[in-house]
Amino acid sequence: GESVGLHLPTLSVQEGDNSIINCAYSNSASDYFIWYKQESGKGPQFIIDIRSNMDKRQGQRVTVLLNKTVKHLSLQIAATQPGDSAVYFCAENISGGSNYKLTFGKGTLLTVNP
Amino acid sequence: DTEVTQTPKHLVMGMTNKKSLKCEQHMGHRAMYWYKQKAKKPPELMFVYSYEKLSINESVPSRFSPECPNSSLLNLHLHALQPEDSALYLCASSQGQGKYGYTFGSGTRLTVV
Repeated sequence: GESVGLHLPTLSVQEGDNSIINCAYSNSASDYFIWYKQESGKGPQFIIDIRSNMDKRQGQRVTVLLNKTVKHLSLQIAATQPGDSAVYFCAENISGGSNYKLTFGKGTLLTVNP
Repeated sequence: DTEVTQTPKHLVMGMTNKKSLKCEQHMGHRAMYWYKQKAKKPPELMFVYSYEKLSINESVPSRFSPECPNSSLLNLHLHALQPEDSALYLCASSQGQGKYGYTFGSGTRLTVV
């Protein structure tokens, strides 16, 4: 797989390869993180989440890694399929009293070539 | 029901029109959100309602007026919009009170002419 940061907004992989999408979040007080997939013309679709007291969480074909020391989040997609082609956003949740809000990163366009 | 439903899906309005966007959820979520998304950009938070009260307004112009009639419904009233307000408007809900799980609707594609 190939890793990209938020300043490289596109990632192109071959079908069957593993994909790694990276995200640098901004607020050390963020307590919850979510990866979303967004296809053209649709709303963000939940992929996987992780709380700040964890450093790794696995789902079906996806893994999220959290490194709080350097404020870095990554999404790993195993055996990438054409249906995985979409824009992927990381989002960080900040809670404060009764206020909490979800802020999105810039996004990465993943293209899977058959 | 695990969905956030937004209507209409598409809306074209003139700069002198008044229109409303609607959002509905029946998951018992007590926090609801409006986001604005321009093409090739991430969603940007506009408003947060917590227990039917406005808790966050991200310095949104007054031509956008949110309303939360009850815990299941969220409206966004639009008046005297500008062409640059054309965007995808997304509604989301979450369990609130520090609990997690945000669910997004499919959005309303708004075009201001």
